[in-house]
Amino acid sequence: QKEVEQDPGPLSVPEGAIVSLNCTYSNSAFQYFMWYRQYSRKGPELLMYTYSSGNKEDGRFTAQVDKSSKYISLFIRDSQPSDSATYLCAMSARTDKLIFGTGTRLQVFP
Amino acid sequence: DGGITQSPKYLFRKEGQNVTLSCEQNLNHDAMYWYRQDPGQGLRLIYYSQIVNDFQKGDIAEGYSVSREKKESFPLTVTSAQKNPTAFYLCASNPRDGYEPQHFGDGTRLSIL
Repeated sequence: QKEVEQDPGPLSVPEGAIVSLNCTYSNSAFQYFMWYRQYSRKGPELLMYTYSSGNKEDGRFTAQVDKSSKYISLFIRDSQPSDSATYLCAMSARTDKLIFGTGTRLQVFP
Repeated sequence: DGGITQSPKYLFRKEGQNVTLSCEQNLNHDAMYWYRQDPGQGLRLIYYSQIVNDFQKGDIAEGYSVSREKKESFPLTVTSAQKNPTAFYLCASNPRDGYEPQHFGDGTRLSIL
C-alpha cells in the first residue's frame, strides 16, 4: 500500500463547477500538508499549505485536513479553464522529506 | 526575481554517457532537493542536501550523484549506471529552519538517444 493515495483522474468539469480533489494517507506522523498545481512541462507551483488539522481558504481555493480520517481535500470554487492542470498533494512528518501523491489531472471546459 | 533555475530544459543522453543537470537558486535557502517524475508515479526523491558539503540519498539514488559546493547550486549527474534515465527531473529548495514548503524549478526533461 502506498503511503499517499490520490485518484489520477482525469476529472472533467464545466466552467463554474465546484471541484473536489482528495488524498488519503496511512502515516499518522504526517503533520505538514500541501497542494501543488502543475501545468504541462512546468514545475509544481505551491497552492496551499496547512499545518496539522483544519481548514484554510485562499480566494477560490479551500484546503481541508482531517487527521482522524487521514484524509485531505482541496476545493476549487467557480472553476476556470485556467485551472486545468495536474494537482499534487504532498505531506511530511518532518521538515525535509515530502511524500507526494501521483497527481489528479483536472480539465475545466468552457 | 528570486527563484530556482534549472537548465537545460531538454537534454538527450547517449548510451554509456554521463550527463549533468544544473540547479541554481537565489532564495538563500539552505536545503535543496532533486526529484524524478514519471507518468503515473508522482515525484520520487533522488538526493537532498540540508547544508553545503553535505547530502543524503533519497529513495531512488542508485545511478545518480550530486555535489553541494555552494549554497546556491546543487547539480545532479545521471550516470551510465542509471539504466532507465528518461524522466522529468525537478529541483526544489526551502529554508532548513522552521518550516516553509518546498519551491520548485521548471524541470529538465531527459531523454535517451
